[in-house]
Amino acid sequence: NAGVTQTPKFQVLKTGQSMTLQCAQDMNHEYMSWYRQDPGMGLRLIHYSVGAGITDQGEVPNGYNVSRSTTEDFPLRLLSAAPSQTSVYFCASSRPAENTEAFFGQGTRLTVV
Amino acid sequence: AQSVAQPEDQVKVAEGNPLTVKCTYSVSGNPYLFWYVQYPNRGLQFLLKYITGDNLVKGSYGFEAEFNKSQTSFHLKKPSALVSDSALYFCAVRGTGANNLFFGTGTRLTVIP
Repeated sequence: NAGVTQTPKFQVLKTGQSMTLQCAQDMNHEYMSWYRQDPGMGLRLIHYSVGAGITDQGEVPNGYNVSRSTTEDFPLRLLSAAPSQTSVYFCASSRPAENTEAFFGQGTRLTVV
Repeated sequence: AQSVAQPEDQVKVAEGNPLTVKCTYSVSGNPYLFWYVQYPNRGLQFLLKYITGDNLVKGSYGFEAEFNKSQTSFHLKKPSALVSDSALYFCAVRGTGANNLFFGTGTRLTVIP
């Protein structure tokens, strides 16, 4: 059972480039989300999805797009990378109940130069 | 609005001594509270959660947490710290009817041999 799988683990982008961070889960979880982790700021929610075809914005959505065509996959797209998007990105999934814990991927460390 | 505060950026304890990592929260409705641990270059691992019932919750690796409704706190504790407990600890909250987890800024625990 792989849980939540994120690819790539590391990425360096030039300013203005675009890329997609991949996230897949095999637990049949309806709820998926993307966070970014920055020093001293904890984890901040970027986008989330409560099921296939449904997405919504979190706390810091600007510069990012998401889609959810299947239950398993929830890719995060950076449209035009900026140095401010240098961060560690985590994908998480959970059952759609308020009392359930989230399961996290191993993270993607992104550097924008 | 939901929020979590972890007032200490860093906690240092000697091996074998008890440890406490503090967390206070603000949430609408009943709180669902979680602790996660992050080891270097890894994702977040679930430790324990408070849903309802006993105010003392036991979790993985000998950790426990005490829920105090009047003080809106959910402090993480362990009776005897190990060097291997050294990591970054995050408190998170989800309110009644909510999907999203809100995280604190994290507390770095260092256990000194």
